Amino acid sequence: GESVGLHLPTLSVQEGDNSIINCAYSNSASDYFIWYKQESGKGPQFIIDIRSNMDKRQGQRVTVLLNKTVKHLSLQIAATQPGDSAVYFCAEIYPYGGSQGNLIFGKGTKLSVKP
Amino acid sequence: GAVVSQHPSWVICKSGTSVKIECRSLDFQATTMFWYRQFPKQSLMLMATSNEGSKATYEQGVEKDKFLINHASLTLSTLTVTSAHPEDSSFYICSASVLGGPRSYEQYFGPGTRLTVT
Repeated sequence: GESVGLHLPTLSVQEGDNSIINCAYSNSASDYFIWYKQESGKGPQFIIDIRSNMDKRQGQRVTVLLNKTVKHLSLQIAATQPGDSAVYFCAEIYPYGGSQGNLIFGKGTKLSVKP
Repeated sequence: GAVVSQHPSWVICKSGTSVKIECRSLDFQATTMFWYRQFPKQSLMLMATSNEGSKATYEQGVEKDKFLINHASLTLSTLTVTSAHPEDSSFYICSASVLGGPRSYEQYFGPGTRLTVT
């Protein structure tokens, strides 16, 4: 299940199950969204992206869903593997203003896969 | 392609000293490089954006005189933490974006540098 830790929400799943990681973004005008995977002690790794004119995009074993009405993103990982254990961040890009073009990262969710 | 390296991967320094972190794009030219800071169990926070040959743009609350950024070439940016204090201990991550690419908004991240100030 999903629980909120001191700073980072954690999601524990059994190997082979599907995982769903959720993210609420902040700016309704953001036009581009990315999911990153970060393993301990490493930099973020690009997983999948989606533009605001889409509501779904699929990759290899991953699917991103975008609900602009409620400013919500989700990342679905099929057949979760131990190697998927990491912290997952969503990020949005503001199209204008002082942070134009900058990535704004969400809080992150730690995914733990039990063998 | 689009590999970004950082050096060193970890560094320990004494309080009051300065430390320099390098960020290199190995196989592409990056007009823009970004520096982030990440505290344990927290998200990445953008510190500054630097464009080759011009002054860096710092985010609100980031002291530009303490975190000196130099972006002297299209493949190298450096972050110098001056007069470091224990509260500067953190994971520093750089990223680079590709000039004129089909997705110029896409950032490629380095592996990060762990700074510990004693």
